Order: sequence, then C-alpha cells, then structure tokens
Amino acid sequence: NAGVTQTPKFRVLKTGQSMTLLCAQDMNHEYMYWYRQDPGMGLRLIHYSVGEGTTAKGEVPDGYNVSRLKKQNFLLGLESAAPSQTSVYFCASSYGVAEGKNIQYFGAGTRLSVL
Amino acid sequence: AQSVAQPEDQVNVAEGNPLTVKCTYSVSGNPYLFWYVQYPNRGLQFLLKYITGDNLVKGSYGFEAEFNKSQTSFHLKKPSALVSDSALYFCAVRDDAAGNKLTFGGGTRVLVKP
Repeated sequence: NAGVTQTPKFRVLKTGQSMTLLCAQDMNHEYMYWYRQDPGMGLRLIHYSVGEGTTAKGEVPDGYNVSRLKKQNFLLGLESAAPSQTSVYFCASSYGVAEGKNIQYFGAGTRLSVL
Repeated sequence: AQSVAQPEDQVNVAEGNPLTVKCTYSVSGNPYLFWYVQYPNRGLQFLLKYITGDNLVKGSYGFEAEFNKSQTSFHLKKPSALVSDSALYFCAVRDDAAGNKLTFGGGTRVLVKP
C-alpha cells in the first residue's frame, strides 16, 4: 500500500518557468490537500478538494492552480514561478471530515527551489 | 478564525526523561486537535487526536496528550523519551464549524540526547 505519493521529489526552476506537482493516493480518499511548509510557519493550506472535479482555495492560494480530474490524483500547478514559492510542498488526503475519517495522511514532500 | 501556537521552537531532553511539547489553540467552535510528527526528509505522520471524550488521549509510540479546555491547551507528553523521538512535532486544530481545514502550529523541534 503506497499511500500518498508525490512526484517529483526535488525540482529547481528559474523565475517565470512553470511546472506541475503530482499527488496520487491509493486509499480511495475523497479529500485531498496541498500545503506548503516554510521554516517556523508550520504548514499552510494552498488548495484543497472535497471530491473528484471539485477544488477550493485555502489560506495561501495566490500563484497556484489545482485540478482534480480523477479521484486518486490532485495536481498543483505553478504557471509562473517566483522565488517566494521556494518551499517544501506536501500533499495529503483523508476520507472526509467526520469522526473516524478526518485523519490526514501525508506524502513525503516535494522540495522546490525557484532561482 | 482558528489558530495554533507552539511557544517553543526547540525542546532538549535527555534520554529516559519525560518529554513535553506545548500547544495552545484558539477556535470559535468546538476544537478537533491533532499532533503530527515529521522525521527528516519525510512527510507528517499522525500521532493522536482529540475530538470528544476523555481529556487524556493516548497515541502512537507511547505518546499521549492532555486536552485542557479552560487553558485552551493540548500538550504532547511522553513519560520516557528515546533518542529516536528526535523529530519535528506539529500541533494542529480544526474548528468543527470550519469544515475540513486544519491550521498547523509552527512546529517544535525535539532533540533527545543519549
């Protein structure tokens, strides 16, 4: 059971380049999330999805877009990367929000540097 | 709005001694509280959670946490720390009126010395 898989693990971009981060989960979870982790700031929610075909903005959505075309995949896109987007990105998933279903399971992260 | 504070950036403890990692929270409704641990170059792993019921919650790897409503705290504890407990610990809160969005604290690095 792979759980939550993120690709790539590392990436270096130049300012203005675009890229897509892929998150895949094999637990049949409805909810998926993208976070960024910066030193001393914990994890901040970028976008999330409550089901296939749906997306919603989190705390820090600017500069990012997402898509959930398939239940098992949640893509995070950077259309024009900026140095401020240098961070570690984590994807997570959960069954839902009800008691017993609200634990989020995390991928190993993608370390992104924008020069 | 919901928020979480972890007042200590780092906690140092000798192996075998008790470990406490502090967390306080603020929510408008009833809190759902979580602790996660992150080992180097890994994602976050769930340790334990409080939803309702007993104020003392037991979780993975011998960790427990005590919910204190009057002090709005949810401190993580372990009676006897191991070197392998050295990691980054995150407290998170979800307001039962805020849907599925977790708010994380800034994290506390725990260093357990032999």
